Amino acid sequence: DAGVIQSPRHEVTEMGQEVTLRCKPISGHNSLFWYRQTMMRGLELLIYFNNNVPIDDSGMPEDRFSAKMPNASFSTLKIQPSEPRDSAVYFCASTDLGGGAEAFFGQGTRLTVV
Amino acid sequence: AQTVTQSQPEMSVQEAETVTLSCTYDTSESDYYLFWYKQPPSRQMILVIRQEAYKQQNATENRFSVNFQKAAKSFSLKISDSQLGDAAMYFCAYRSREYGNKLVFGAGTILRVKS
Repeated sequence: DAGVIQSPRHEVTEMGQEVTLRCKPISGHNSLFWYRQTMMRGLELLIYFNNNVPIDDSGMPEDRFSAKMPNASFSTLKIQPSEPRDSAVYFCASTDLGGGAEAFFGQGTRLTVV
Repeated sequence: AQTVTQSQPEMSVQEAETVTLSCTYDTSESDYYLFWYKQPPSRQMILVIRQEAYKQQNATENRFSVNFQKAAKSFSLKISDSQLGDAAMYFCAYRSREYGNKLVFGAGTILRVKS
């Protein structure tokens, strides 16, 4: 398996633009997490899905952020409109709800909003 | 809500020496998982070690071991015979088993290894 795949690896956009981050979890995994990493706030859990259903989105900072998981092999995190303070590394991770399994992380997307 | 606290923003250790990274957590659950992840400069998140709360025996993986104190809600990581390649950010993480599989992380500890 190729692991968790995130795209793009790097994204530079102008303030006010829409940004879409993509994630393909490991095949067979049924739980998916989105995290944001910054120096100031560390690794924050934004939202997670079990069996494609959002379970907890309390970490989503504002209404500008939204996430979807239309099927078991794809998820998106969208920011509209983007702001400079959204600049961070965004990670996607997947795991098996069966228990005991660690979460496997993608390489992350470094987002810079100018 | 489950929270994870790492009180050491940064630690240093001499090569070949032993270092212990601290982690405490807050939960009302009795069954859960705890993890230590390593993040080198490449930013890839790598699992170091895992502990299941219902197991009293402390987990070990080669040079890495944990001291799991369930009553104190403490989960420290000991790295023996430190190597230059151990230099990284280390994250402690808690995964719920009773409430939807939520996985939360501490703020991280930067480990520097001196040669």
